[in-house]
Amino acid sequence: DADVTQTPRNRITKTGKRIMLECSQTKGHDRMYWYRQDPGLGLRLIYYSFDVKDINKGEISDGYSVSRQAQAKFSLSLESAIPNQTALYFCATSDFEGLGEQFFGPGTRLTVL
Amino acid sequence: LAKTTQPISMDSYEGQEVNITCSHNNIATNDYITWYQQFPSQGPRFIIQGYKTKVTNEVASLFIPADRKSSTLSLPRVSLSDTAVYYCLVGAGPAAGNKLTFGGGTRVLVKP
Repeated sequence: DADVTQTPRNRITKTGKRIMLECSQTKGHDRMYWYRQDPGLGLRLIYYSFDVKDINKGEISDGYSVSRQAQAKFSLSLESAIPNQTALYFCATSDFEGLGEQFFGPGTRLTVL
Repeated sequence: LAKTTQPISMDSYEGQEVNITCSHNNIATNDYITWYQQFPSQGPRFIIQGYKTKVTNEVASLFIPADRKSSTLSLPRVSLSDTAVYYCLVGAGPAAGNKLTFGGGTRVLVKP
């Protein structure tokens, strides 16, 4: 089984709808991240969490919110989706110790019509 | 976070060595240099990380000169499956949360 899973893998929704993307990990890592990637571009950090009680904004947090329900779960919500939030969303985890390598999930492709 | 500059694309052939250079003139004392590989519609995958001099693992080498203002990722004897986008990232390591800023990356195409 994959260490970092994301659900759903694909989602099409309409403008104004509330959407939740979920991420679960079995690596036992404390740190979790949400990124978005637009076509042909690199990843941009939306939110990150160092532990269950610690949530921080990244580069592009406007229009998004997150919830760290447990060490293993980190959800991203779009409160009122808009078309320019159409993108590929990735969740990642990392350990405090070691090289700081991030482990990425398979991604969620979100389309907002 | 330090800004990085790397070539937009590179072509190579199977069996050749591929070297991708990344410039990071304003790298800070606490910054590490990390490279990730990304295949289409997949999450990035860690390749290698270093602070100074040379680091080697089973898939790549990372060369960092003394001034640390640039770094070179070396992929020995590439195969078709090495066709991917390679990202150079510069930032503080785990102690600072390992927050990553991905630039545009270098699109490497390996030809038969």
